[in-house]
Amino acid sequence: DARVTQTPRHKVTEMGQEVTMRCQPILGHNTVFWYRQTMMQGLELLAYFRNRAPLDDSGMPKDRFSAEMPDATLATLKIQPSEPRDSAVYFCASAVNTEAFFGQGTRLTVV
Amino acid sequence: GNSVTQMEGPVTLSEEAFLTINCTYTATGYPSLFWYVQYPGEGLQLLLKATKADDKGSNKGFEATYRKETTSFHLEKGSVQVSDSAVYFCALSQTSYDKVIFGPGTSLSVIP
Repeated sequence: DARVTQTPRHKVTEMGQEVTMRCQPILGHNTVFWYRQTMMQGLELLAYFRNRAPLDDSGMPKDRFSAEMPDATLATLKIQPSEPRDSAVYFCASAVNTEAFFGQGTRLTVV
Repeated sequence: GNSVTQMEGPVTLSEEAFLTINCTYTATGYPSLFWYVQYPGEGLQLLLKATKADDKGSNKGFEATYRKETTSFHLEKGSVQVSDSAVYFCALSQTSYDKVIFGPGTSLSVIP
């Protein structure tokens, strides 16, 4: 049963620390999305890739966030330095045609 | 730009009641439309989709019809169950492989 895998599932870190979230997309999916979910803002698109190339990262705070796909089996989202307002659930999704498949998310708490 | 609007929640229904969650969209051309469901502590799952006008998507007793004339994609179910309690998101994608734009979500609670 193919699925998107995200690690870690939970992360608690201190303000100012670097955070790296990882995503393994479904094999054969060539589009990968990063979303952030909070109670106040709902689901926000941070960035997305097609064939490993970044297409749109306008939703990301560029000074502290970065997203990469070093290969077709791994997408990463980094926050450096982290701030309490970054506390949220971060979802990765991979897509084929018009259907997106979501991972279970990384719940990040910055204290 | 493209956007999706959903009815405000939370929605609370008794078991076996009829469900409607309204969704309207703004987009150019003919987007694909989706309903996703998110159960507590989990990621979003595709519930159903429709890719052209007048298409009806259906799954697990849920239905939604793509109405181009009213730019709507309302979700319906004839008889809800406690297990349907979740957050429901309406979404659109302009073209294949384009980004998926989500509405704010509607929380549904079904009580026995």
